[in-house]
Amino acid sequence: QSVVTQPPSVSAAPRQRVTISCSGSSSNIGNNAVNWYQQLPGKAPKLLIYYDDLLPSGVSDRFSGSKSGTSASLAISGLQSEDEADYYCAVWDDSVSGPVFGGGTKLTVL
Amino acid sequence: QVQLQESGPGLVKPSETLSLTCTVSNDSIKSDYWTWIRQPPGKGLEWIGYIKFDVITNFNPSLKSRVTISVDTSNNLFSLRMTSVTATDTAVYYCAKGMEGHEVWGQGTLVTVSS
Repeated sequence: QSVVTQPPSVSAAPRQRVTISCSGSSSNIGNNAVNWYQQLPGKAPKLLIYYDDLLPSGVSDRFSGSKSGTSASLAISGLQSEDEADYYCAVWDDSVSGPVFGGGTKLTVL
Repeated sequence: QVQLQESGPGLVKPSETLSLTCTVSNDSIKSDYWTWIRQPPGKGLEWIGYIKFDVITNFNPSLKSRVTISVDTSNNLFSLRMTSVTATDTAVYYCAKGMEGHEVWGQGTLVTVSS
């Protein structure tokens, strides 16, 4: 059981917007930057968002991140079928001096 | 661009030691932190630990008693050693660059613990 919590699944239709939440505490999200990863089936995770809301080079601007207090969110706009994947939030946790991952959210594009 | 490649046995017997290496290409092993992460089949990601140049290491408290991470500067690689494995250690093991916000990952290697 992870110290940061994500919904197990979300779904939305193509071209719609979806958000994935990540809830933590003062020892992680409340005090440190959140990163988001996309994992396609059978592939290694790919960094989507770092430092709460920054996009690595090459990542589509359909992806965006935000944070408020001890919660963070990933938003995906203009959904496409290729966005079907597992999404993980990750954040430094001061109590373990290392990163903790959310349990992951499976996105289904209807 | 930086590339990482995991290697090691795909099958380990219960109670034995799991050993994996991650070879780093197009970057110096001395340049950054290097991390091991694993993912049991059908489950989420779990941080194992990180190392910087054989000086700074830290491990997931749940694994700390069984895990060692080391750096080989001569061969530009870093290694994971996990003792007393059980079936619950069956997972895809990934190596990654950095302490967090990992932008570079290896492709992952499946390690199955079974007799």
